[in-house]
Parts: sequence; C-alpha cells; structure tokens
Amino acid sequence: GAVVSQHPSRVICKSGTSVKIECRSLDFQATTMFWYRQFPKQSLMLMATSNEGSKATYEQGVEKDKFLINHASLTLSTLTVTSAHPEDSSFYICSARVRATVGYTFGSGTRLTVV
Amino acid sequence: EDKVVQSPLSLVVHEGDTVTLNCSYEVTNFRSLLWYKQEKKAPTFLFMLTSSGIEKKSGRLSSILDKKELSSILNITATQTGDSAIYLCAVEDTSGTYKYIFGTGTRLKVLA
Repeated sequence: GAVVSQHPSRVICKSGTSVKIECRSLDFQATTMFWYRQFPKQSLMLMATSNEGSKATYEQGVEKDKFLINHASLTLSTLTVTSAHPEDSSFYICSARVRATVGYTFGSGTRLTVV
Repeated sequence: EDKVVQSPLSLVVHEGDTVTLNCSYEVTNFRSLLWYKQEKKAPTFLFMLTSSGIEKKSGRLSSILDKKELSSILNITATQTGDSAIYLCAVEDTSGTYKYIFGTGTRLKVLA
C-alpha cells in the first residue's frame, strides 16, 4: 500500500533554533502534500498545502515565514519550523492523496518539543 | 465557513456495547467523507464515503453517508478495548486546492 515516511518521529530543540521535518512518499508520487498540526486532545488543523514545484498555500493564521514548506520533488516535502518557540511544540503530521478511490495516507507524525 | 462537527466529543462504554459516532458537515464543495482512527500517532484510514445510502463495512465497523442530511455515522458493534481511540471524520473539499476539513474527533474509551 501507499506509504508516507515521516522523519524525525520525535525531536526536542532549543528555543530559537530551526527544525526540519521530512515527508517522503515511498511507492507513489505525491504531487500534493498536506501539513497538519495537532495540539493535545484536539483535531488535526491544516497548516498548508504543498504542491510539487510551486509555492505552498498556507491557511489563514499560519505564518509562512515561520513554517517554511518545500516540495522540490514528487516524493519529498519538507516543513521547517524556523526560530522555534515553546508554543510551537505540537504534533506535526503530513498526508498525501494517493488515488481518488483510496483517499489520503498519513505520515507517522513528528512530536516537536521546544524547550 | 466550512466546518465539520462530530458528536459526542467523548464516550465511555463497556466491552460488548455498540456505539454510534456522528459527523455532520457544512462544506461548499463536497467530494467525499472519510473516517479515521487515531491511537498514538498517525490516523489510520477506515472508510471513504462518496455516495449517499451505501453502507461500507469492515468487520465490526460500518459507516454510511447521508448527503441530504449532510451527515455520516460510524457504528462499532461488540466493542473491544482495542477500539479505544479518537475517531476522526474528515470531509474532502474541492474549493481551490483539494483539502481535508477535519472534525474535532470523538474520543472513545472502551472499558474491560
């Protein structure tokens, strides 16, 4: 089945540093990748949609200069949290559309803790 | 504003009980409705519904979509402790870029 590999699964970083999260589609081409964040006991909130070879589309209220998204190839999308602060601590997860009849598949998520 | 609402927010039942989870939506350009189960990490796919009135079934789980009522239900029969999870409903919106709109989820706890 279609698999999205997300790394790292867990990261702890210091305030002010940047963290890069990668999502790779392993056996299919993901022209579009979605990035979500999830706070404890809350639902997934869409942050941005990344399209291969073009600029990402950010949801209202998401700072594009803080959450840099790059989708340079059909199998790789990255989310970089720049100048991280403790309030950025969250669970970040990506997903890609596989086929119209299958829906979407998710990466395993990244738990970011900023100290 | 597009939104997806799930109810109840949380539910505690005993093993063997049957539960019904609800999802209602207001989305401008509906394409499909999906149910996911989320335990520790990534949500796992359960069902994708596009047509009204056609029940999808997988073991003890089943789901059906009602486009007239703009809603869907997820049924779990003979619940087990392993069913304890957050169940997420998501609606695919085709306005602009295809994307999901997620509901708040229903937190199900099944007691032994």
